[in-house]
Amino acid sequence: AQSVTQLDSQVPVFEEAPVELRCNYSSSVSVYLFWYVQYPNQGLQLLLKYLSGSTLVKGINGFEAEFNKSQTSFHLRKPSVHISDTAEYFCAVSENNAGNMLTFGGGTRLMVKP
Amino acid sequence: SQTIHQWPATLVQPVGSPLSLECTVEGTSNPNLYWYRQAAGRGLQLLFYSVGIGQISSEVPQNLSASRPQDRQFILSSKKLLLSDSGFYLCAWSWGLAGIYEQFFGPGTRLTVL
Repeated sequence: AQSVTQLDSQVPVFEEAPVELRCNYSSSVSVYLFWYVQYPNQGLQLLLKYLSGSTLVKGINGFEAEFNKSQTSFHLRKPSVHISDTAEYFCAVSENNAGNMLTFGGGTRLMVKP
Repeated sequence: SQTIHQWPATLVQPVGSPLSLECTVEGTSNPNLYWYRQAAGRGLQLLFYSVGIGQISSEVPQNLSASRPQDRQFILSSKKLLLSDSGFYLCAWSWGLAGIYEQFFGPGTRLTVL
C-alpha cells in the first residue's frame, strides 16, 4: 500500500519569496500524483497533477511540481508567493491499479507574511 | 460542468444526537463518491466510498454509516454522535471511468459535537 509524507507541517515565508513544499511517497507500483490546496473552511481544490509524460508539471496560481521517480518525490514550488497563497497544501498519490482512490499526506500549512 | 453540493455548511449537535449530512453531485452520472473527515489540524481520513447505488465500502470502523440512495446522492449518518465525531466533513466525487484519476471536493460541513 502507498503512503505519503509531507515533511513540513508548517512553512512560514515572506511575500514575494520562493517556496518549496516537500512531498515524498512510497509505493511498489506506478503512481499518479496530485497537489491540492485548501483555503480556510473550504474544500480542496486541485492545483496540479502528474499522470505521465514530462516530469515538470505546471498548475494553477503559478505553482509547479517536479516528479522525481528515483527519489520518490513530488515537491511543489512557486518562485514568488503572495499573501493570498496562505493555505493548507496536500499532496496525494494514487496507485495505477487502485482506480480513483487517493492517499493523502498530512498537509503543509503555508503562511505568507508581509 | 459538474458541481458538488454539501449541506448543511455548519452544524452544532449535542452528544448522543443523530446526524445526517448530505452530498449531491450535478452534471455527471455514475460517479464514484467519497466521504472524508478532517479533524482539527490534521489531514484527511477516508471514511466511506461508493462506486454505485447501494454499494458502500467502509475504510474505518466507527459509529458512522453511509448510504447512496440515488446515483448522485451520498449521505453520511450516525445514530448517536460522539465528541470525537467533531470535524470537517468533505464529500468528493471522481469519474467512474478508467483513466480519470483526480477527485473533486465539495465545500465541506463543519460539525461540532458538544
